[in-house]
Amino acid sequence: NAGVTQTPKFQVLKTGQSMTLQCAQDMNHEYMSWYRQDPGMGLRLIHYSVGAGITDQGEVPNGYNVSRSTTEDFPLRLLSAAPSQTSVYFCASSYVGGTQETQYFGPGTRLLVL
Amino acid sequence: LAKTTQPISMDSYEGQEVNITCSHNNIATNDYITWYQQFPSQGPRFIIQGYKTKVTNEVASLFIPADRKSSTLSLPRVSLSDTAVYYCLVGGFQAGTALIFGKGTTLSVSS
Repeated sequence: NAGVTQTPKFQVLKTGQSMTLQCAQDMNHEYMSWYRQDPGMGLRLIHYSVGAGITDQGEVPNGYNVSRSTTEDFPLRLLSAAPSQTSVYFCASSYVGGTQETQYFGPGTRLLVL
Repeated sequence: LAKTTQPISMDSYEGQEVNITCSHNNIATNDYITWYQQFPSQGPRFIIQGYKTKVTNEVASLFIPADRKSSTLSLPRVSLSDTAVYYCLVGGFQAGTALIFGKGTTLSVSS
């Protein structure tokens, strides 16, 4: 299993540009989520999905869109990038079964918005 | 969602046992307690999870008192490679529930 993969690893955008951060998992997990991590802020949940076709907002959803057309993929879209969106973005997936749940995180995407 | 409170930072030396306590006064009946570890430039990694009493795996132990309003992550004989940020999460796993990360505890291990 490749686990959770994210592309790109690093991206530089200009203010107002749009882009999509890709996330894929091959573990057949129902849950997928996107977090951003800023220095000194821990991780903050942006959006999450409990299955294909179902998404919901987290703590900081403004400026981001998501969709979940398949179990495997959960892309995060920035429609008009702003400097405040400079951050490290992590995608995660998790299974729910029995009494155990863990979230498996991808390696992250570093985004710089100029 | 239950809010968690944990120390911002802790220091230790190699070979010592480290205990990180997390407070979660509003934990719900269905909530589990989960701890993650994060190294610089990497995503968080699951360490241990529990519901009550004590849980132990090859990496750590998790102590949860009967009232479940707090929990303690215990790392035996830490090494330099245990220097990381440790997050305490409390949440249930019903459909639609999302886990929220706080600011975590930065553990620094020195030789």
